[in-house]
Amino acid sequence: AQSVTQLDSQVPVFEEAPVELRCNYSSSVSVYLFWYVQYPNQGLQLLLKYLSGSTLVKGINGFEAEFNKSQTSFHLRKPSVHISDTAEYFCAVSDWAGGFKTIFGAGTRLFVKA
Amino acid sequence: KAGVTQTPRYLIKTRGQQVTLSCSPISGHRSVSWYQQTPGQGLQFLFEYFSETQRNKGNFPGRFSGRQFSNSRSEMNVSTLELGDSALYLCASSRQGSTNEKLFFGSGTQLSVL
Repeated sequence: AQSVTQLDSQVPVFEEAPVELRCNYSSSVSVYLFWYVQYPNQGLQLLLKYLSGSTLVKGINGFEAEFNKSQTSFHLRKPSVHISDTAEYFCAVSDWAGGFKTIFGAGTRLFVKA
Repeated sequence: KAGVTQTPRYLIKTRGQQVTLSCSPISGHRSVSWYQQTPGQGLQFLFEYFSETQRNKGNFPGRFSGRQFSNSRSEMNVSTLELGDSALYLCASSRQGSTNEKLFFGSGTQLSVL
């Protein structure tokens, strides 16, 4: 079965600084990877996804992620963060083990300071 | 197009009671997944339904159950509530429940067990 590890539970960063949120997944023959964001008191929404093709994936709100098969990583990056990026970010992988499910990491809380 | 709707938004119950949560997926979506979210644990997969059939189930006790109706609306039930069941319960839908699809989340039902 697939698994996802988010290496940082909290990441504090100053506004306009770059940020990287780290994610590792367990290896599989084929893998579909996702990053979701959760703002306070809301459900999750998709930032970006990797299905195949280019290993650099661009998403909404200026975020991008790079799929690295050899390191089984899918780190999320943004070159310059805003206060409004303060939220919880979840890395996820889709699995089909007898039935469809998406497995989420424990989440990384990004806190952007002025 | 209306998003995923979960009702109620908040629930307060006492130990030993049972509770039923409701989820209406996006129109045309046939797959509904349920997740339990608690601080520090991330999202734990409960179960997934597709065309009224449970296709996959997570590692939760039998007190957690669900069903899906012919219009794709889904309910989950928790019987004999325990304090540890206090959590945000999230519902997510997708068109086919395929591993390459993104999930659309509702805002969740915040359950507090006293």
